[in-house]
Amino acid sequence: QVQLVESGGGVVQTGRSLRLSCAASGFTFSDYGMHWVRQAPGEGLEWVAVVWHDGGSKYYAESVKGRFTISRDNSKNTMYLQMTSLRADDAALYYCARDISSGWFDSWGQGTLVTVSS
Amino acid sequence: EIVMTQSPVTLSVSPGERATLSCRASQSVSSKLAWYQQKPGQAPRLLIYGASTRATGIPARFSGSGSGTEFTLTISSLQSEDFAVYYCQQYNNWPPYTFGRGTKLEIK
Repeated sequence: QVQLVESGGGVVQTGRSLRLSCAASGFTFSDYGMHWVRQAPGEGLEWVAVVWHDGGSKYYAESVKGRFTISRDNSKNTMYLQMTSLRADDAALYYCARDISSGWFDSWGQGTLVTVSS
Repeated sequence: EIVMTQSPVTLSVSPGERATLSCRASQSVSSKLAWYQQKPGQAPRLLIYGASTRATGIPARFSGSGSGTEFTLTISSLQSEDFAVYYCQQYNNWPPYTFGRGTKLEIK
């Protein structure tokens, strides 16, 4: 069955960096666009970034543009989110989600928690 | 950026009754709208895409309607497992993909 497992979250100081990973299994990873969506504690969902199935196109939310970089390695069935210059408002549960390139997210991981401390 | 507005913020309904949740877009998104359900401590789950198409495995009591700027998610006869937070999301104009702030469906 489809499985998405995020990892790499943790406690990080303001201004530092962190890299999240999303390991995929149970489907042909290279057929799907992949997204990061985050959720601050007690808040709603915020889309962060997407990488196309072949890694050829990437798009970002304005709030993370220039600080976060999304990437993927189809040989490893893994997507990444390199986060730099972290701010307090980046603290959230980060989910990865897949997209058959239609724009909706049909499977989600369980999330990895990022805490930003000063 | 398209802003998605959900109403009400909280909806109290008794089991077995019908629930109607609304989602409005700040500009037309055609039928490119999805609905998700999120229970405490869980990831969101896709319910509806294309405004009205149920995702795989979603019970028939969930239905979606609307196009343009006005959308509705209806749950025809609430079961105990349906009490959760529901989000709408547009994917017509992106980036960014945008979500509503959610409607919490609680037991009356």
